[in-house]
Formats: sequence, structure tokens, C-alpha cells
Amino acid sequence: SQQGEEDPQALSIQEGENATMNCSYKTSINNLQWYRQNSGRGLVHLILIRSNEREKHSGRLRVTLDTSKKSSSLLITASRAADTASYFCATDRKGNTGKLIFGQGTTLQVKP
Amino acid sequence: GAGVSQSPSNKVTEKGKDVELRCDPISGHTALYWYRQSLGQGLEFLIYFQGNSAPDKSGLPSDRFSAERTGGSVSTLTIQRTQQEDSAVYLCASSIHSLNTEAFFGQGTRLTVV
Repeated sequence: SQQGEEDPQALSIQEGENATMNCSYKTSINNLQWYRQNSGRGLVHLILIRSNEREKHSGRLRVTLDTSKKSSSLLITASRAADTASYFCATDRKGNTGKLIFGQGTTLQVKP
Repeated sequence: GAGVSQSPSNKVTEKGKDVELRCDPISGHTALYWYRQSLGQGLEFLIYFQGNSAPDKSGLPSDRFSAERTGGSVSTLTIQRTQQEDSAVYLCASSIHSLNTEAFFGQGTRLTVV
């Protein structure tokens, strides 16, 4: 079964607002990664957070990881219409050799 | 190459035919992944190659699916006797190491079985 589960499945906000997406997973992990997908094709890596880290920032992105709750969140601040895309979390399960398992994704629409 | 390259970009095939999808990973990347994505859905793991280790084939949906990676570089995903439910985008990704590194994705092959 898939490791990660994102919520909400879909999110619609106005430009300038913040967007928060959540990811829950089931087993211990080495790291958790967030990816973005435009137009149903290739994914682009956004950020990787290791199991011993609790928060990470990259530009307008902020990722948190709570290993006790087996959950992560992705916050996009001051959203732009260009942020419209699908966002996926992926986990590298502890004990595996780097195999990434993806969740179902959150579709974000940012209205201008 | 500069990125992960997949070919063809689009493939339309008749039900029952065999298809081969190709993936050229980034040079030097030891890990290679295949995923399948149906319309509006998440990524379904298919198979994972890491260096010279035996591939993790646990995600292949049936024995009609197989994949190989020659010389630790190019990979081919083969689907035999295609069915309509095989229609999806097939995504390939590679990474430089196996642990705590990001994966780089190709643009995918959109397979349509008619």
C-alpha cells in the first residue's frame, strides 16, 4: 500500500494567501520529500527533510516533520498563481535502500 | 545528459500488443525508479534499481510487466499483451545515491491502449 497520504485532496485559495498541505505516513522513515507536478508530467523536487530534522525552509516554502505523529506539512507563503500545481509527499522508509513511495497528492489552485 | 530522458513521449498501441518504454537516467546516477500515474491519481511504484543490487520488483502489477537496466544506465520497461487498464503516464526517475537524496524525474511516457 502507499506510504504517504496527503490532505486535503484539493485546495483553492486567492493569490497572496498561504497554503498548507499535510502528509501522513505509516512507518519509520529515513526522510520525507515534497515534490511538485505541473500538467500531469514530470515532478520537480522541492525539499527534503531528514528524520532527525523538525523544520526546513526554502524560499517561500516551509516544511515541518513530526515523527511522533508520523506527519509532515508543507506551507507555501504568499502564494502566486504560478504555484498552481499538484504537490506530493514521498517517503523513504527506514530499512529500505532509498525506494521512494509517493502519496496521492494535493491539487492546489491559486486564483489571481 | 542534462536530465532524465524518456521515450517516446506518447505511445498509442492496440490492445494485446507489446510496448517498450525507455528511460535514460542522469549520468552517474545509481538509483532508477519507474512509477505509473493514472489520470488525476498519485504515483504508483513499479520497480526500483539500485546499483548492482537485485531490483525491487514489488510494485509490478502483473507478470506482463518487466523491466531491465543495462550496464547500470538505460532502463527499459516492457509491457506485454497490453490492456486498456495499462493506459497511464509512466514516469522514470533517477538519483545519485540511494539514501537522503532527491530524485530527478523525466517528463514521462503517456501510454494509451485502444
